[in-house]
Amino acid sequence: DAGVTQSPTHLIKTRGQHVTLRCSPISGHKSVSWYQQVLGQGPQFIFQYYEKEERGRGNFPDRFSARQFPNYSSELNVNALLLGDSALYLCASSFDSPYEQYFGPGTRLTVT
Amino acid sequence: AQSVSQHNHHVILSEAASLELGCNYSYGGTVNLFWYVQYPGQHLQLLLKYFSGDPLVKGIKGFEAEFIKSKFSFNLRKPSVQWSDTAEYFCAVNPRWNNAGNMLTFGGGTRLMVKP
Repeated sequence: DAGVTQSPTHLIKTRGQHVTLRCSPISGHKSVSWYQQVLGQGPQFIFQYYEKEERGRGNFPDRFSARQFPNYSSELNVNALLLGDSALYLCASSFDSPYEQYFGPGTRLTVT
Repeated sequence: AQSVSQHNHHVILSEAASLELGCNYSYGGTVNLFWYVQYPGQHLQLLLKYFSGDPLVKGIKGFEAEFIKSKFSFNLRKPSVQWSDTAEYFCAVNPRWNNAGNMLTFGGGTRLMVKP
């Protein structure tokens, strides 16, 4: 079975730009969560969506937004990028909520 | 603020040595507990989980962890490490509140290097 997939793999953006990251969950999984992992630190929770509704939001500014589509895939949007947004963005899917989560390979975002 | 602490940031062991990685959390209520591993160049993988029941849980690749509620701890152990266990290990906590959903709070990670 295919695992969680994320696109793109790498991305370079300039300060002030906008970025959209995409995630496809494992087939049958209804929940998608997003995490930010800065180099040298553990992942930090950004959002969770379950059955297309927001289930949780971490301590991130309103520049971060997300949505989940009817096929359970998800997008993470970040507006007005800052240098500090440079990180690995991880998507995790789970069958239910709360439940064990399976992580994708991540999207490496570099903001210059 | 609620947090997860992994006190060992870097651990170096020789093959066949025993491993214990510490994890402590500060949540006061009931929690689900996880250990994830990230091998070089690979994505986070679930090693083991604790939701309820027997506080000694066994995971993949010979790893086990013990939940000690009174100590707010969930330490990871392996009796004999192999070179292939070289990786970064993350402890994570999911509070069982109504609105917590799948939110995981991760520790800062422990980098394990096993010398052949």
